[in-house]
Amino acid sequence: DAGVIQSPRHEVTEMGQEVTLRCKPISGHDYLFWYRQTMMRGLELLIYFNNNVPIDDSGMPEDRFSAKMPNASFSTLKIQPSEPRDSAVYFCASSYQGSTDTQYFGPGTRLTVL
Amino acid sequence: QKEVEQNSGPLSVPEGAIASLNCTYSDRGSQSFFWYRQYSGKSPELIMFIYSNGDKEDGRFTAQLNKASQYVSLLIRDSQPSDSATYLCAVKRGGSTLGRLYFGRGTQLTVWP
Repeated sequence: DAGVIQSPRHEVTEMGQEVTLRCKPISGHDYLFWYRQTMMRGLELLIYFNNNVPIDDSGMPEDRFSAKMPNASFSTLKIQPSEPRDSAVYFCASSYQGSTDTQYFGPGTRLTVL
Repeated sequence: QKEVEQNSGPLSVPEGAIASLNCTYSDRGSQSFFWYRQYSGKSPELIMFIYSNGDKEDGRFTAQLNKASQYVSLLIRDSQPSDSATYLCAVKRGGSTLGRLYFGRGTQLTVWP
């Protein structure tokens, strides 16, 4: 059974460019989480969805960040315009109603903004 | 004050020893506590969770919770070089069946042969 899938695995872009990160949760999971990890701040929750609806986006740092989940099998995190301080590893995780305490993480996208 | 604080480490122990990882949290109403392991360059994976005061054992791992002291720990017995990783403590606040997880910055553990 495939785990959480993220793409791209690595992204290098220049300041000011738009970046789109993609996530496919585990089939049957109805919760999806986006995290950001840096050395300075550790692992931070940005936003999470339940049944494709955003529930808590209080961790989204600013208006440059947006996230969507158009269907149960796909979500995007977009940064526009990107800045060097956005450089981090972005993880997507999913879980399901019967076991919401167990979150399964994807491999992450390492973003570098020059 | 951060929601979750961990010893920054790094922690280095010899193979076969007991590794002790500690975590404190600020929200006294927190209900659920988790330990994730993260190998270098990989994603976090859940290894233990605990809800009640006391100890919970799973193989070589023991999680300990003391809500009065707002303290969670993870003991790894008979440490192996394969246990070398960063260990993240995470806390879920009370009052909801699914809420956000607050993570500590992690403690890096090295087990040397």
